[in-house]
Amino acid sequence: NAGVTQTPKFRVLKTGQSMTLLCAQDMNHEYMYWYRQDPGMGLRLIHYSVGEGTTAKGEVPDGYNVSRLKKQNFLLGLESAAPSQTSVYFCASTRGAGSETQYFGPGTRLLVL
Amino acid sequence: AQKITQTQPGMFVQEKEAVTLDCTYDTSDQSYGLFWYKQPSSGEMIFLIYQGSYDEQNATEGRYSLNFQKARKSANLVISASQLGDSAMYFCAMREVRDSWGKLQFGAGTQVVVTP
Repeated sequence: NAGVTQTPKFRVLKTGQSMTLLCAQDMNHEYMYWYRQDPGMGLRLIHYSVGEGTTAKGEVPDGYNVSRLKKQNFLLGLESAAPSQTSVYFCASTRGAGSETQYFGPGTRLLVL
Repeated sequence: AQKITQTQPGMFVQEKEAVTLDCTYDTSDQSYGLFWYKQPSSGEMIFLIYQGSYDEQNATEGRYSLNFQKARKSANLVISASQLGDSAMYFCAMREVRDSWGKLQFGAGTQVVVTP
């Protein structure tokens, strides 16, 4: 099993450009998450989804949109990229709450010039 | 407000020695879980250990153990017999069970460098 995969691995954008990050999981997990990781700040939750067709805002949702049209996929969109969105983005999934760990993708490194 | 605090930005430890990574948390819930993850320089997030708030014994997984002091709201990770491969960033995270969506809140992390 591939677990959680993310596409692309690295991307450079110019300010104002748009892009979509794709997260796919093959573990039939209901819950999926998008985080951003910045130096000295740990991982911060952007958006999350608790099932196909449902999404919700996390801690830092501004400037991002998400969609979960299929259970296995969770897309993160940047409509108009800004330098402040330069970060490493992680997708994660889990079967549920309680003691279940989240399984993380390998990350996407995004540089916005 | 920051719910997970890791006060050690970085630390050096000698190979074969034990190291303790501090983590304090803030919650008014009685039911919660604490997780530790390792992030090596390659970037992936690796789950290490879990402690539930009602677990009576401290969690252990191989060389990793969690020193859970509920009254102090601390969940320190202890790595015994450090190895060079333990050099990584370590994150403490909490899940409050009343949040049924499985969300985790992370600390800022501690960078560990193991020296020969």
